[in-house]
Amino acid sequence: DGGITQSPKYLFRKEGQNVTLSCEQNLNHDAMYWYRQDPGQGLRLIYYSQIVNDFQKGDIAEGYSVSREKKESFPLTVTSAQKNPTAFYLCASSIGRGTYEQYFGPGTRLTVT
Amino acid sequence: AQTVTQSQPEMSVQEAETVTLSCTYDTSENNYYLFWYKQPPSRQMILVIRQEAYKQQNATENRFSVNFQKAAKSFSLKISDSQLGDTAMYFCALDAGNMLTFGGGTRLMVKP
Repeated sequence: DGGITQSPKYLFRKEGQNVTLSCEQNLNHDAMYWYRQDPGQGLRLIYYSQIVNDFQKGDIAEGYSVSREKKESFPLTVTSAQKNPTAFYLCASSIGRGTYEQYFGPGTRLTVT
Repeated sequence: AQTVTQSQPEMSVQEAETVTLSCTYDTSENNYYLFWYKQPPSRQMILVIRQEAYKQQNATENRFSVNFQKAAKSFSLKISDSQLGDTAMYFCALDAGNMLTFGGGTRLMVKP
């Protein structure tokens, strides 16, 4: 089955530690995205990538970093510089950038204490 | 900059009845796409329906239809014959070629 996987579903970290969230897709999509969702709110774009070895900042990139070494993978690192890292993180992909439908993964709930 | 506003934080509807969720948006682009996404309690985002701005005809997907008013920048979602499985957060989203911008969401509860 084609789709997007995110692991783990729940992640707990101590304050001051970096943590990396996994996102893998087997849809052969060029574009991939990371969103953050806070309780009762919509999604906000953290980073996106249109092609391997290229990525761009979204609205709230501060305190986050990404890499795109393979088409299938777009991991997100939440660094200790992110002031409020506790949130629900969603990864998505689409055929290309722009007006194509985005397909979402099941998300990772990150709790930092 | 593009913005999306959903003015109804919560709504409820009786099973089998019809409900309409509101969405207004703003963009300076003439060509863009609008979407409604559903996020059930599992939190998996699912595309419900999509509308191209250059099409005058309103999109329809089974029980889901939209009322797209381009001049008013309005994009409402109508759910007919509501089912218990429609209980979810619904997000309106706009893509004008730059990035997908989401509204704050409407929590819909379908009551038996």
